[in-house]
Amino acid sequence: DVVMTQTPVSLPVSLGGQASISCRSSQSLVHSNRNTYLHWYLQKPGQSPQLLIYRVSNRFSGVPDRFSGSGSGTDFTLKISRVEPEDLGDYYCLQSTHFPPTFGGGTKLELK
Amino acid sequence: EVQILETGGGLVKPGGSLRLSCATSGFNFNDYFMNWVRQAPGKGLEWIAQIRNKNSNYATYSVESLEGRVTISRDDSKSSVYLQVNSLRPEDTAIYYCTRSSFDYWGQGVMVTVSS
Repeated sequence: DVVMTQTPVSLPVSLGGQASISCRSSQSLVHSNRNTYLHWYLQKPGQSPQLLIYRVSNRFSGVPDRFSGSGSGTDFTLKISRVEPEDLGDYYCLQSTHFPPTFGGGTKLELK
Repeated sequence: EVQILETGGGLVKPGGSLRLSCATSGFNFNDYFMNWVRQAPGKGLEWIAQIRNKNSNYATYSVESLEGRVTISRDDSKSSVYLQVNSLRPEDTAIYYCTRSSFDYWGQGVMVTVSS
């Protein structure tokens, strides 16, 4: 199975500041169809995960442009600019290029 | 509007069984594979099972740690997917989420607690 290594585990931020989360995979996430199925989620306390970014860099419907995704191959990054209170929670990356789908271990974004 | 709703959770004794249901609406269910993902208390997300669609012969897959104890099924006429888990163990205690193959829409999850 593809191992997704997500860092950091905890990320203290100030409101209005910037956050960056890394996700590295144990093998390339480029599919044979040339797409890269790496996605990012935010899970707020008591809620189900909500999709933020799909296929590396595409914002899902309704997601503010403060969220951006980048990367290729095995190395991916989620950036959050101008952090707002509603951005706090647990972030996860997911790869669905290879079967079975696997998640990163999570990053808790919290106030400094 | 895509909607996904899981039901059937609860408190179960070790060794017991549970059948979770996931009712969906707002999209063409027949086109999608469906997944179950679980999250133990305070832990991360774990994919546990998938059922493919008719075009893929309804093939099923599950995580190795659950193989032999879990059955995933679907009823396309009801746009619903099911997860039967047998021989439940305390470590199966988790919130169980249903999500479609694109992992874009998720249900609110259902809590399963395995305890004597």
